[in-house]
Formats: sequence, C-alpha cells, structure tokens
Amino acid sequence: AQKVTQAQTEISVVEKEDVTLDCVYETRDTTYYLFWYKQPPSGELVFLIRRNSFDEQNEISGRYSWNFQKSTSSFNFTITASQVVDSAVYFCALNQRTSGSRLTFGEGTQLTVNP
Amino acid sequence: KAGVTQTPRYLIKTRGQQVTLSCSPISGHRSVSWYQQTPGQGLQFLFEYFSETQRNKGNFPGRFSGRQFSNSRSEMNVSTLELGDSALYLCASSSPAGGLQETQYFGPGTRLLVL
Repeated sequence: AQKVTQAQTEISVVEKEDVTLDCVYETRDTTYYLFWYKQPPSGELVFLIRRNSFDEQNEISGRYSWNFQKSTSSFNFTITASQVVDSAVYFCALNQRTSGSRLTFGEGTQLTVNP
Repeated sequence: KAGVTQTPRYLIKTRGQQVTLSCSPISGHRSVSWYQQTPGQGLQFLFEYFSETQRNKGNFPGRFSGRQFSNSRSEMNVSTLELGDSALYLCASSSPAGGLQETQYFGPGTRLLVL
C-alpha cells in the first residue's frame, strides 16, 4: 500500500521568511517517483519537481530546494525568502511502479505568506 | 505548447442528472488521467486512459466512467449525480507512454456543483 502524509495543514509566515513543507511517504516498491505540485486559488495543479527513488541528490531551483532522504522516507520542500506569490496549497505525491500512472497525494499544506 | 484544457470550467447540476466533462491533453501526450478533489477526501485518482483504453482505475463506483478518442482527447461521465459528487475534477496528461516516470501535467479543472 502507498501513502503520503503532510502533517502540516496550514503554515503562515511573513514575507522573506524561509519555510519548509514536510512530506513523509510509505511504499513497498523499490522503484517510485515523488513529486511536488502547487495549487493556487485558481485550482490548477502546477508541477514543481520530480524525483526518482534512486536519486537522493538534493536539488535547488532558485528560491526552491528539495531534500530527499530515503532513510526517513521524507521529501521535504523549502522556500527561501518567501514571497506573497508563494501563497498556495502545496501537494506532495507518490507514483510507484505497481500503480502505473496513479499519483497518490498527501493532504496538502496551505501556505500563506503575509506582507 | 498549449497546456491541458478542460471544459466546461464550471457546472451546476441537480441530483439524478448526468454530466460529461471534457479534457484535451497537451499535444503529443497520449495518456490522460482523471482525479477528483474534495475538501473531505482530498485528491483521488479516478482512472487513466492510454491509446483509447482504460489502463488503470481507482476505487469509484460504476457511475463514473470515461473514454478516450483517437486524438487522445478524453471525456469523463458521471451518471445519476449525488450531492457528494460536488468536486473539482482535474485532468492530467503525460507523455509519451504514460505510467511510471512520466510527469503528469494538470489542467485548470472543472468545478461541479450538484444541488
């Protein structure tokens, strides 16, 4: 069985603060992919990053960075120097070999960045 | 490249009616997946179509069905609508073969309200 847990339901920060969104996953497969998506109020899910189970390298893209640790089954997402435009719901998702294309999503974290 | 498009964007129906939602994938994408998003259940996988065949199915009743056309466009149908079917329905496409390791790109969704 697969499961994704995002324990933080809501986070509120002040602009320019750093913020980390947590994601913990469960899977029995050795081959899987992890994703982060952003959902602004308009509703569309915007793809941010994909990581496969064999690549534990951390990644940085501008103000965004991701920390993938198989030992703790975590795939955390950090926004540095947050901005008001970062306000959205962020979803972590898992795609495992035995599930085909099916994505299993976490509950989402509502991030509010206040000016 | 144009993104995933979904029509209509908003829909209001009454209980017992049926509804058809449409999704046009990104050009060249052959896999289309559908998800339901509700405040209570979060994002849940409905089904996936590839080359006009349903390749994967989630745990939804038979009232939910879909199909895919030769141009990869997909439709989703819900018959005998219930109040609980009120949700945001999201379509995602991926390329070229779908399945594991392919990133899914989402459309803006169709907001269905059942009265």
